[in-house]
Amino acid sequence: NAGVTQTPKFQVLKTGQSMTLQCAQDMNHNSMYWYRQDPGMGLRLIYYSASEGTTDKGEVPNGYNVSRLNKREFSLRLESAAPSQTSVYFCASSPLEGVYEQYFGPGTRLTVT
Amino acid sequence: ILNVEQSPQSLHVQEGDSTNFTCSFPSSNFYALHWYRWETAKSPEALFVMTLNGDEKKKGRISATLNTKEGYSYLYIKGSQPEDSATYLCARGGFQKLVFGTGTRLLVSP
Repeated sequence: NAGVTQTPKFQVLKTGQSMTLQCAQDMNHNSMYWYRQDPGMGLRLIYYSASEGTTDKGEVPNGYNVSRLNKREFSLRLESAAPSQTSVYFCASSPLEGVYEQYFGPGTRLTVT
Repeated sequence: ILNVEQSPQSLHVQEGDSTNFTCSFPSSNFYALHWYRWETAKSPEALFVMTLNGDEKKKGRISATLNTKEGYSYLYIKGSQPEDSATYLCARGGFQKLVFGTGTRLLVSP
């Protein structure tokens, strides 16, 4: 039982390049989330998926797109990376939204030069 | 966006000290209050999820209380140990998503 897995662990991109961050969970959770963590800012929600087939914007969605591929997988895409997207990205899942604890993946450290 | 405030930002205590942190949040349309423990180079891990006014939760030497009417929660650590060193995050749960505070960074010296 791996919990929440994320790939890659580290990535360096040049400005304008695109990439997709992958996230998968094996806990049969309905809800999945993408956060970014920046110094002094705490965890900020980028996008979330309350259930398979639905996605919604969070606090900081600009410059990102997401896909809930199936119940297990939730990917985050940067179409044209910018230095402001340099951050640590965490994926999380929970049985249902709101009152249930979230389980976090190990994070992806992304640097955009 | 509903602001969640945590204080203090950081805290340095000696092994054996007891300590507490505060999380303040808007009390309207409240669903849940989460506490997470986040060690350096690891991922946040859930400590407690509380939903009812007056809730008290305990896990070992760590406990938490909740006041939804006035919009605050306290996290207590009794007899701090070096392994308690971490950032402690609180998050206010709305209907579908969490809003996190910026955390309290605790350092416990031997």
